[in-house]
Amino acid sequence: DAKTTQPPSMDCAEGRAANLPCNHSTISGNEYVYWYRQIHSQGPQYIIHGLKNNETNEMASLIITEDRKSSTLILPHATLRDTAVYYCIVRVAGSSNTGKLIFGQGTTLQVKP
Amino acid sequence: GAVVSQHPSWVICKSGTSVKIECRSLDFQATTMFWYRQFPKQSLMLMATSNEGSKATYEQGVEKDKFLINHASLTLSTLTVTSAHPEDSSFYICSARDGSGNTGELFFGEGSRLTVL
Repeated sequence: DAKTTQPPSMDCAEGRAANLPCNHSTISGNEYVYWYRQIHSQGPQYIIHGLKNNETNEMASLIITEDRKSSTLILPHATLRDTAVYYCIVRVAGSSNTGKLIFGQGTTLQVKP
Repeated sequence: GAVVSQHPSWVICKSGTSVKIECRSLDFQATTMFWYRQFPKQSLMLMATSNEGSKATYEQGVEKDKFLINHASLTLSTLTVTSAHPEDSSFYICSARDGSGNTGELFFGEGSRLTVL
């Protein structure tokens, strides 16, 4: 699975949009981009994933560049409860995949009042 | 999303004893489960892949005789830390793959914090 690069930390004001970048320049054509987050002392929580097209769900939006070498996770209106470590992971999806996720260091997002 | 439950959520034990942690998929069948370990202020480290009905696959550097994994059913995998020592104190997290979905999403348990005295 391709590696990803994320900034170690970011701050965001409460109520503002949080934009978390991720570089995955060696991503393969069959690899998806996944985002998880981990709130302190809890298990990781799935946020969103995508292949080529931008994706949106009730939690966030995922913007993937046309060359797929980078992506941005957008939390449209960050709250204090969004303070967490955010992990960007690329992996092959589908039933033939072993499914394991390899975590990098992630981005620690601190939402401030 | 799907629910994965771990038990116990925290445990304290004496050095030399063995501790068993359970991971259950509550509303789906998981042919594959994964065990991670996380030390303070570090990322999750994959320990092993647990396959229902077969032997687990361990990542490089993880002792299979130290960390026994059993995946006896489609909804339960257990991790036993044998002869625990203080350096085994860590946050252990399991995840399970919902094989019914096309992309095989992974869902994580709440984690189990082990403290070895």
